[in-house]
Amino acid sequence: GEDVEQSLFLSVREGDSSVINCTYTDSSSTYLYWYKQEPGAGLQLLTYIFSNMDMKQDQRLTVLLNKKDKHLSLRIADTQTGDSAIYFCAENGSGNTGKLIFGQGTTLQVKP
Amino acid sequence: ETGVTQTPRHLVMGMTNKKSLKCEQHLGHNAMYWYKQSAKKPLELMFVYNFKEQTENNSVPSRFSPECPNSSHLFLHLHTLQPEDSALYLCASSQDLLSGHLTYEQYFGPGTRLTVT
Repeated sequence: GEDVEQSLFLSVREGDSSVINCTYTDSSSTYLYWYKQEPGAGLQLLTYIFSNMDMKQDQRLTVLLNKKDKHLSLRIADTQTGDSAIYFCAENGSGNTGKLIFGQGTTLQVKP
Repeated sequence: ETGVTQTPRHLVMGMTNKKSLKCEQHLGHNAMYWYKQSAKKPLELMFVYNFKEQTENNSVPSRFSPECPNSSHLFLHLHTLQPEDSALYLCASSQDLLSGHLTYEQYFGPGTRLTVT
C-alpha cells in the first residue's frame, strides 16, 4: 500500500542546518514533494524532485533522494526563525490521478 | 498568497445545520481538490475534480457533498455533521490531470477551520 512516514518533531538553533527525513513505500512514485505549513495557513509547495534524480538544490534547500531505500530528506541551511513550521513530505504514487499521499508532517522549531 | 482563496476561514456549526465551504482559484487550473486535515493525522484527500468532473471520491461519507460548477470554483456542502468532522478543510488546485503535467504541483488555499458542536 501507499504510506509516507516522517518523524513528528525537530528542534534546532538559529543558524544551524535542519534535516527533515521521510520514508515512503510506493516505488512507482515519479515525483516527491516537500510542503511547508505555517500556523493558520494552507500548505505551500517548497520544492519537488523527480524520481530519477538523487539531489536537487534550491537556494537554502537541498533535497536528497535515495530511491533504493525509499528515503527522502530536506536540508535547510542556515535555519531561521521564520522557517519554524510543519513540513510535509508527499509522493504522487502510481497512476495519472493527481492524488498525493502525505506524511503526518514534521514540526520544525527554531530556537533563537 | 497562492491564488487559491477559501471562505469562510472559520465556521462553527451544530450537527443539524447545513452549511457550505467555498473555494476559488485564480490560476487557470482545471483540477481541484478537497482535503481534510485533522490533528495528529496525515492529510486526507477527500475529492478530486478534473475539468468539472469528479474523478476521485476517497470513501467520504455522504454528509459531505462536493460541487464543481466550473474549473475555478469548488464547493463542499455540509449537512448533519458529527463532532469528529471538526478539522481544517483545505482546497487545492493544479493543472489538469490529462495533458501529461506529471509534476501535479498543487497549490493550497488557507483552509476553513470547521468546528462541529
